[in-house]
Amino acid sequence: AQSVTQLGSHVSVSEGALVLLRCNYSSSVPPYLFWYVQYPNQGLQLLLKYTTGATLVKGINGFEAEFKKSETSFHLTKPSAHMSDAAEYFCAGPPTGNQFYFGTGTSLTVIP
Amino acid sequence: DTEVTQTPKHLVMGMTNKKSLKCEQHMGHRAMYWYKQKAKKPPELMFVYSYEKLSINESVPSRFSPECPNSSLLNLHLHALQPEDSALYLCASSQQDINEKLFFGSGTQLSVL
Repeated sequence: AQSVTQLGSHVSVSEGALVLLRCNYSSSVPPYLFWYVQYPNQGLQLLLKYTTGATLVKGINGFEAEFKKSETSFHLTKPSAHMSDAAEYFCAGPPTGNQFYFGTGTSLTVIP
Repeated sequence: DTEVTQTPKHLVMGMTNKKSLKCEQHMGHRAMYWYKQKAKKPPELMFVYSYEKLSINESVPSRFSPECPNSSLLNLHLHALQPEDSALYLCASSQQDINEKLFFGSGTQLSVL
């Protein structure tokens, strides 16, 4: 069974606007949660990783995510979208058995 | 060197062909993975090698045969594939196990005719 759910398969934002990509997890004890980005014709690249501790996680390229246990959420945000942020974003984890569960992905379009 | 290198980048093969996908990393990682990704879908785990031993086979058909010749190399041998096997095949590695950061290659885009 999927342990992460991404809400919204497509998100469009204007350049300079806030980016918010949603991810909810189902496990009661999420030791690890991840956000990965996939640019066209590329593999996946880690944006950020949550482990127990600080609830606000900062990643690469100005992205950050906040772990909210009360809402079982791990949403990804960026204050100001750039054209180069257009990509597919995957939430992943927590590991079950020996594999991640990747969310279904959210395609981000940035409008000039 | 923080790269995972996959070759070839593109591959077109017939259903009777035999081909191999190759993956290489020089980060000293001891876990390596094959994923299959269909367009607009998340990656699906196929195989995991841990310390050069196959530790996970996610019920993948036998027409896909993985091989880990040494700690830096991972191959995926293909034989008698079906058109529905057309996909992006991604190799990844991690330091020791799947709880850690995965480093992905750029993938091999496979088309089966």
